[in-house]
Amino acid sequence: AQRVTQPEKLLSVFKGAPVELKCNYSYSGSPELFWYVQYSRQRLQLLLRHISRESIKGFTADLNKGETSFHLKKPFAQEEDSAMYYCALSPSGSARQLTFGSGTQLTVLP
Amino acid sequence: GAVVSQHPSRVICKSGTSVKIECRSLDFQATTMFWYRQFPKQSLMLMATSNEGSKATYEQGVEKDKFLINHASLTLSTLTVTSAHPEDSSFYICSARDMTTGELFFGEGSRLTVL
Repeated sequence: AQRVTQPEKLLSVFKGAPVELKCNYSYSGSPELFWYVQYSRQRLQLLLRHISRESIKGFTADLNKGETSFHLKKPFAQEEDSAMYYCALSPSGSARQLTFGSGTQLTVLP
Repeated sequence: GAVVSQHPSRVICKSGTSVKIECRSLDFQATTMFWYRQFPKQSLMLMATSNEGSKATYEQGVEKDKFLINHASLTLSTLTVTSAHPEDSSFYICSARDMTTGELFFGEGSRLTVL
């Protein structure tokens, strides 16, 4: 069975500082990895996925198969980045059946 | 962009009654929808995968007779919590997979409180 671990429940950084939200996973096959974000009082929305290798809102995430990690990074945090971030895994061919991590609440301080 | 609508957003019911929550894809068709449950300050736990025109697939530990799922059309899946008890109080979230693009979109969630 797959598992996603986000070790930090809460993370606070100052505006302009770099931020890294950690995510580790366990899965025997080749998964798809995602980061979802939930802003206050809004629904969950996709931030980025590993297969597209894109940067969204300044965030990037690289899949490290050796370390089974998919950490989310941004070099200069902004106050509007404050939100709940969930790392998620989808087994290949599962039609996006997601297993979520426990989430990290990011607060960017002014 | 694509929107998934859940209704009701909040519902309060008495213990022993049944509650139905709807999940609609408003501008796309979805052969697959997912139902999640989220406890306070915890992650989303997948309850079941809803497949249009066929029976839902439930995750281990989820009672299929307790949580009835119907996916009768390409734009609507319903979750019925039968004979609700206070321990069923939770936040229920659905997601729908666009059958054309494969993209996944989430509803805003439904908060159920059972008295």
